[in-house]
Amino acid sequence: DIVMTQSPDSLAVSLGERATINCKSSQSVLYSSNNKNYLTWYQQKPGQPPKLLIYWASTRESGVPDRFSGSGSGTDFTLTISSLQAEDVAVYYCQQYYSTPYTFGQGTNLEIK
Amino acid sequence: QVTLKESGPVLVKPTETLTLTCTVSGVSLSSIRMGVTWFRQPPGKALEWLAYFFSNDEKSYSTSLTSRLTISKDTSKGQVVLTMTDMDPVDTATYYCARFNGYGWFAPWGQGTLVTVSS
Repeated sequence: DIVMTQSPDSLAVSLGERATINCKSSQSVLYSSNNKNYLTWYQQKPGQPPKLLIYWASTRESGVPDRFSGSGSGTDFTLTISSLQAEDVAVYYCQQYYSTPYTFGQGTNLEIK
Repeated sequence: QVTLKESGPVLVKPTETLTLTCTVSGVSLSSIRMGVTWFRQPPGKALEWLAYFFSNDEKSYSTSLTSRLTISKDTSKGQVVLTMTDMDPVDTATYYCARFNGYGWFAPWGQGTLVTVSS
């Protein structure tokens, strides 16, 4: 199984500041045949189901604000929120879909400082 | 608009079998690249993928739970059913279903259903 490890576990950022969450996979999730990274990011607010933010490591889902961006390749990935808003308080998960079983990171709890 | 809704028991006893139903609206389960996947999330913990059923009748299961899981679908009812045998208190979790497009990301998700395993 591919193990996904996020850092940090918890993060406090001031409103309007940048938030950066990292995700590392135990093996590459880059398919050489199509040069795509099989990685997604989800946002989960308290009491709600996860919401898809980004797929193919950097493609924003329709309707997701452009302050959210994804980057990285191979085994190291980053989710960046360029200017933190109050509604961004949530737990964020990365997930690989390179191979089954699909696996998630342990989550990063993002709070307002 | 595609929506999914989970239903099933709130409480099951240890060793019992859990049966959960995901009812899909807004799209046919026989549509191209239409699948349903199941997840669970123990209280305060991370997400765990359990299984999927895809439109070509392909199924896949979590390697750690494959002996306990069965996924099936009833296209006429728009439902995907997950059964998990030999339930244990550690299986207490919120169980979610979500649309699976065949690539490996999941959207939208149902609201989830909390299942508690206790005698």
